[in-house]
Amino acid sequence: GAVVSQHPSWVICKSGTSVKIECRSLDFQATTMFWYRQFPKQSLMLMATSNEGSKATYEQGVEKDKFLINHASLTLSTLTVTSAHPEDSSFYICSAHDRSPIYEQYFGPGTRLTVT
Amino acid sequence: DAKTTQPTSMDCAEGRAANLPCNHSTISGNEYVYWYRQIHSQGPQYIIHGLKNNETNEMASLIITEDRKSSTLILPHATLRDTAVYYCIAKSTGANSKLTFGKGITLSVRP
Repeated sequence: GAVVSQHPSWVICKSGTSVKIECRSLDFQATTMFWYRQFPKQSLMLMATSNEGSKATYEQGVEKDKFLINHASLTLSTLTVTSAHPEDSSFYICSAHDRSPIYEQYFGPGTRLTVT
Repeated sequence: DAKTTQPTSMDCAEGRAANLPCNHSTISGNEYVYWYRQIHSQGPQYIIHGLKNNETNEMASLIITEDRKSSTLILPHATLRDTAVYYCIAKSTGANSKLTFGKGITLSVRP
């Protein structure tokens, strides 16, 4: 099956700094990518949907100025957590599907962010 | 997208079939039933999806009732590595259709 990678797999940063997480589709072109967040013992919560070359669509309650999403190419999307705070510590997961939304959505392995 | 309901947890013995139920009584005609699983601290893994007919792949079988109001995921020979949270999701087919995760069912496979 198709592979989605994320980098880094884990990151620790200090409060007030910004962190960028990369999501890449390795063997297919991802017209749409999704970013999820998962707190301990909770389910995945969709943060935003991004289409290549256009602005991301954020879910209600997600601050677009805090979580900057860029989907500059068909194989790369980035999530930047700006001015991170300890409450932003979470597991961030990206996913993508190719041209057909009927087929399976492929998920990355996730990035564990810890803000100290 | 239609809401799905699943039991909170279940267990089964290694080597036996695991039957995971899911209710989606308000599913609409263009919504597919998808199953994903998440092993601890990993990204979700696609298992199978279907619309009306039963489906089978190398991982599992999906049985959808004729009225499409419920379905069952079958892992034919569960192993310890199948211990995970399993999510049943109803998703439409629009261009920006998205997977919305509920709480899922925690499957524990015991030796």
